[in-house]
Amino acid sequence: KAGVTQTPRYLIKTRGQQVTLSCSPISGHRSVSWYQQTPGQGLQFLFEYFSETQRNKGNFPGRFSGRQFSNSRSEMNVSTLELGDSALYLCASSPEGSGRGGYNEQFFGPGTRLTVL
Amino acid sequence: KQEVTQIPAALSVPEGENLVLNCSFTDSAIYNLQWFRQDPGKGLTSLLLIQSSQREQTSGRLNASLDKSSGRSTLYIAASQPGDSATYLCAVRWFFGNEKLTFGTGTRLTIIP
Repeated sequence: KAGVTQTPRYLIKTRGQQVTLSCSPISGHRSVSWYQQTPGQGLQFLFEYFSETQRNKGNFPGRFSGRQFSNSRSEMNVSTLELGDSALYLCASSPEGSGRGGYNEQFFGPGTRLTVL
Repeated sequence: KQEVTQIPAALSVPEGENLVLNCSFTDSAIYNLQWFRQDPGKGLTSLLLIQSSQREQTSGRLNASLDKSSGRSTLYIAASQPGDSATYLCAVRWFFGNEKLTFGTGTRLTIIP
């Protein structure tokens, strides 16, 4: 079974631009979560999508948004990029996600490395 | 505040030694705890998931234990190999705030050949 895939793997953008990242979960998984990883803040939760609905959102500004499609694939969008948005963006999938207690093993993709100049 | 701590931040050991990585968390009301490894510039690889009702989980040379009452988990690696060199992260999913995993800052492990 194929793992979580993320595209593109690397991106270079300039301040003020916007960017869209894509994540395809493991087949059969309905929950997709996004995390941002930076050297200073570590791994921080962005949001979770389940059945095309945003179920939870972390403490990030409204410039960060996402969506999920009927095939469970998810996209994350960042508008008006800032230098501080440079990070590794990780996507994780699980069968059911939050609210289902014990069987929420998360499987992560390879990440998208975003550099903002 | 719900926090996860991993000490030390870095660890170097000779090849072949057994070693223990530590993870502590501030609130014992957890759903589960998951251990990951991350190679430089890569994503996270899930190693072990321990449910709140379990005391330990094993996979090959890895053994993870969970003590909720003391807010601690350990990852035991037997007969370490150079390929085990990576950053090891533990992550907790709490009952309250269970929409996300809360990660520790990781332990960077180097196995010296």
